[in-house]
Amino acid sequence: AQSVTQPDIHITVSEGASLELRCNYSYGATPYLFWYVQSPGQGLQLLLKYFSGDTLVQGIKGFEAEFKRSQSSFNLRKPSVHWSDAAEYFCAVGSSGTYKYIFGTGTRLKVLA
Amino acid sequence: DAGVIQSPRHEVTEMGQEVTLRCKPISGHDYLFWYRQTMMRGLELLIYFNNNVPIDDSGMPEDRFSAKMPNASFSTLKIQPSEPRDSAVYFCASSLAGDTQYFGPGTRLTVL
Repeated sequence: AQSVTQPDIHITVSEGASLELRCNYSYGATPYLFWYVQSPGQGLQLLLKYFSGDTLVQGIKGFEAEFKRSQSSFNLRKPSVHWSDAAEYFCAVGSSGTYKYIFGTGTRLKVLA
Repeated sequence: DAGVIQSPRHEVTEMGQEVTLRCKPISGHDYLFWYRQTMMRGLELLIYFNNNVPIDDSGMPEDRFSAKMPNASFSTLKIQPSEPRDSAVYFCASSLAGDTQYFGPGTRLTVL
């Protein structure tokens, strides 16, 4: 079955600390992988995406993610978190030829001053 | 560039009433998606269109829901009659050639 798992429902970090949000997927085809961020009352904004090539992808707002095929993972990282990063983060998977993304259940990030 | 535009941003209605949600995709995009987000079920794809034609409506919960895309710049999602369990945030997203989906700000629907 195709699925996306974000094992952490909530994460709290201090401002300036590093961050890693986990995403694991189960998908039959070669995956396209995405991370979106949703601030309260807002829509989803694309942070970064992986289609092919370099497995370390850079996104907006200083985020990066690494695709590890052997671990079926696409974890999101940021070296130093800012208070404005507090939001909910969604991992999604799709593939070429299918336009239906499967979204994870999200990880809510809280940033302590 | 204008992003995906949705209206209204908030809708409060009473059970049994008809509700129409509207979406204007990004100009030039040929795919349009309607999603529903709830605490219990997360983000669910309801239906998507390609070149104004519905391709997959398997996520539409029941016959009370219908969606149309009369032209490349406009789509509606209609619920008739509405029920309290339809309360959710409804998102529209568009993409070019099925690539990255760009989301609108959403419509928060409350059915009393």
